[in-house]
Amino acid sequence: GENVEQHPSTLSVQEGDSAVIKCTYSDSASNYFPWYKQELGKRPQLIIDIRSNVGEKKDQRIAVTLNKTAKHFSLHITETQPEDSAVYFCAASSTAGGTSYGKLTFGQGTILTVHP
Amino acid sequence: NAGVTQTPKFRILKIGQSMTLQCAQDMNHNYMYWYRQDPGMGLKLIYYSVGAGITDKGEVPNGYNVSRSTTEDFPLRLELAAPSQTSVYFCASSDQVGTSGYTDTQYFGPGTRLTVL
Repeated sequence: GENVEQHPSTLSVQEGDSAVIKCTYSDSASNYFPWYKQELGKRPQLIIDIRSNVGEKKDQRIAVTLNKTAKHFSLHITETQPEDSAVYFCAASSTAGGTSYGKLTFGQGTILTVHP
Repeated sequence: NAGVTQTPKFRILKIGQSMTLQCAQDMNHNYMYWYRQDPGMGLKLIYYSVGAGITDKGEVPNGYNVSRSTTEDFPLRLELAAPSQTSVYFCASSDQVGTSGYTDTQYFGPGTRLTVL
């Protein structure tokens, strides 16, 4: 089955700096890669996702890049703010053969701390 | 729309007790999922369902059971609670895989924090 590795496990930055979180996946059939933000005691919230037919997607200060050849994708947050502090999870899903049913395999998470 | 709702929010069980975690969604989604999240870890899939009457095992199904009698509801049953089942349980739902073949967004419920002592 799919395996997703996420690095780093913790990331500390100063307000205004950029933050980058990287994930690698094992199943070359994976074609959907969401990123979730989870604040303490809350549910995961989708912040951005990318499908394998594009290499990059941007939404204001957040961007995701995908390298299918190397099987890795990254989350980029620019101009970080204290409210960006949270745990971030990457995930991967495959619809190969139409039978994955949207099942997500998650990375282990990155604790991002943005210092004022 | 309330989205995905879960009850209870918190529960403490004794070893060997049973309970059902409730999950409901009002978005008419075909696909529903149960995940568990252990402290400091990512989410792991327990069971999933692609429609009423259809369920299947995920990565960590042992010790759990599910049923899906309606589109809206997807309860998770713990029969003989064990300390290893102490976790936060999240239910999620999504629309069916689109005609493009790509997975649709999964929406999560608020979670149930379960402690087994």
